[in-house]
Amino acid sequence: EVQLVESGGGLVQPGGSLRLSCAASGFVFSSYWMHWVRQSPAKGLVWVSGINGDGSGTTYADSVKGRFTVSRDNARHTLYLQMNSLRAEDTAVYYCVRESAAFDIWGQGTMVTVSS
Amino acid sequence: QAGLTQPPSVSKDLRQTATLTCTGNSNNVGNQGAAWLQQHQGHPPKLLSYRNDNRPSGISERFSASRSGNTASLTITGLQPEDEADYYCSAWDSSLSAWVFGGGTKLTVL
Repeated sequence: EVQLVESGGGLVQPGGSLRLSCAASGFVFSSYWMHWVRQSPAKGLVWVSGINGDGSGTTYADSVKGRFTVSRDNARHTLYLQMNSLRAEDTAVYYCVRESAAFDIWGQGTMVTVSS
Repeated sequence: QAGLTQPPSVSKDLRQTATLTCTGNSNNVGNQGAAWLQQHQGHPPKLLSYRNDNRPSGISERFSASRSGNTASLTITGLQPEDEADYYCSAWDSSLSAWVFGGGTKLTVL
């Protein structure tokens, strides 16, 4: 079964850091671009970042550029998102998503709350 | 980053047909086409169609998508209670070098 399972969310103070993980199974992980997409009631679905199959290419939304870093470990079939200098507006459910012509496989999401 | 435009809500009767729209520009919908996602409350989004009119395996033929210029459409025929959900469009924007989403349409089946 193709599956993505996120972890690492939680409550963090403004200015703090958090690292999200996404464990992939059921497909050849290294063959796919992978992305992080977040969702909040205020802003809906927002693409955050993407990384190509071998990890050599990354892209970011302007709102997180310079603060977030996406990476992957293909040997461990795991995607990561390092989030630094977190702000209240980063509060959202963060989804790990596989790209195959579109965002075809989504994880269940992990909640990140930035609040003092 | 600019997003795609969707009507906030659509209401249709059971067994009727609903057509949802998603308007972008020549850098996103008009260029790369759009994908459609369905999201039920408390669940992650689910891909319904991609590159305008391709359906992943397992998606009902009641869902069909199309594009005309910079506007993508999702048509749902024979509406069922389980079709009540939020529907989002997405596309790659070549000008922004970013993926963009619509704000979502809440479909109510009466």
